[in-house]
Amino acid sequence: DAGVTQSPTHLIKTRGQQVTLRCSPKSGHDTVSWYQQALGQGPQFIFQYYEEEERQRGNFPDRFSGHQFPNYSSELNVNALLLGDSALYLCASSQVGQRTEAFFGQGTRLTVV
Amino acid sequence: KQEVTQIPAALSVPEGENLVLNCSFTDSAIYNLQWFRQDPGKGLTSLLLIQSSQREQTSGRLNASLDKSSGRSTLYIAASQPGDSATYLCAVDNAGNNRKLIWGLGTSLAVNP
Repeated sequence: DAGVTQSPTHLIKTRGQQVTLRCSPKSGHDTVSWYQQALGQGPQFIFQYYEEEERQRGNFPDRFSGHQFPNYSSELNVNALLLGDSALYLCASSQVGQRTEAFFGQGTRLTVV
Repeated sequence: KQEVTQIPAALSVPEGENLVLNCSFTDSAIYNLQWFRQDPGKGLTSLLLIQSSQREQTSGRLNASLDKSSGRSTLYIAASQPGDSATYLCAVDNAGNNRKLIWGLGTSLAVNP
């Protein structure tokens, strides 16, 4: 079991550009959540996808959007990048249910210059 | 609004010591609490998951306890090793289904040989 995999591992973009990050959940998991972690901070919840729909959203602008595919993998898209979007982006997968454990990928380090 | 606090923010100990990391939360209506480990610049590794109905969980040298009524959890690490050096984060699930984990800022642990 490969666990949660994210790609790419590192990315450098210029202000104003758009970026797409990808996540494949752990085998058997159907729910994907995305988090942003700035340096020295705890992760901040962006949104969660289940059954190809956004089920919950954190306090992030509409520049942040996502998608979930029938195979449960997910993408995070960020438009009009700002310097403040530089962070580690983490994907978590879990199985739907009230008391399940979340497993995280290694993250994508995004640097906006 | 749920708030999670971790104390201490940083800890440096000699190898072999037993140590306790603390996590407190303001809203006791949680589904579960998870402890994670994060190495510098890396993703999150799940260590222990405690359901709201449980009092403690153990895995190897790690033991986590939960006192929902007082809004506290502790992570006990026995016989610490240099390889335990990392940041330890706790996260609570208020909404169920890992819809929106709320995180502390972490405790940065250094175990010195």
